[in-house]
Amino acid sequence: ELKVEQNPLFLSMQEGKNYTIYCNYSTTSDRLYWYRQDPGKSLESLFVLLSNGAVKQEGRLMASLDTKARLSTLHITAAVHDLSATYFCAPSQGGSEKLVFGKGTKLTVNP
Amino acid sequence: DAGVIQSPRHEVTEMGQEVTLRCKPISGHNSLFWYRQTMMRGLELLIYFNNNVPIDDSGMPEDRFSAKMPNASFSTLKIQPSEPRDSAVYFCASSLRQWVNEQFFGPGTRLTVL
Repeated sequence: ELKVEQNPLFLSMQEGKNYTIYCNYSTTSDRLYWYRQDPGKSLESLFVLLSNGAVKQEGRLMASLDTKARLSTLHITAAVHDLSATYFCAPSQGGSEKLVFGKGTKLTVNP
Repeated sequence: DAGVIQSPRHEVTEMGQEVTLRCKPISGHNSLFWYRQTMMRGLELLIYFNNNVPIDDSGMPEDRFSAKMPNASFSTLKIQPSEPRDSAVYFCASSLRQWVNEQFFGPGTRLTVL
């Protein structure tokens, strides 16, 4: 059974600072997804990582995937308040469409 | 383009009542997923369909839960009888089954069972 661990679960950071969220998973997975959720809202797709070594960037966020280490990272550069949200990683289980979500990292960016 | 549509957005019911949640996937998508989100258990996949056929229902908590997809543009999740522990936000998501398989989520239905 695929298990997903995100670290940290809570992150409070100052505007302008950099930080990295880590997503470890327990069994082989060939695809990994990152989602954002604002309070009381739905999940918004951020990144789709499809192969080992994949790197995607959008604005101040950059995601990477190391399938050999079973690790994905979400790097935040020069954080701004608008990035405050909960971020979820979700690797796919085996070769299926089934995603297994981590518990999420609640990010708060303070002025 | 319209995204995934769910109804109702909020549902308050009493224990023992039947609850039906509805979902319309994005047009052209051929996979549909039902998730439940709670503070305690996080986001859990309940069941998913591909081309209207249930593929994996291992996440359905018990026999009180059932899901159907009678056609490509409509799915229901039914709880009968409902219990207070079923209170959660239920999300429907859809995707186009291909290598990318990116899932797009609906706005969710917030269910409260009193």
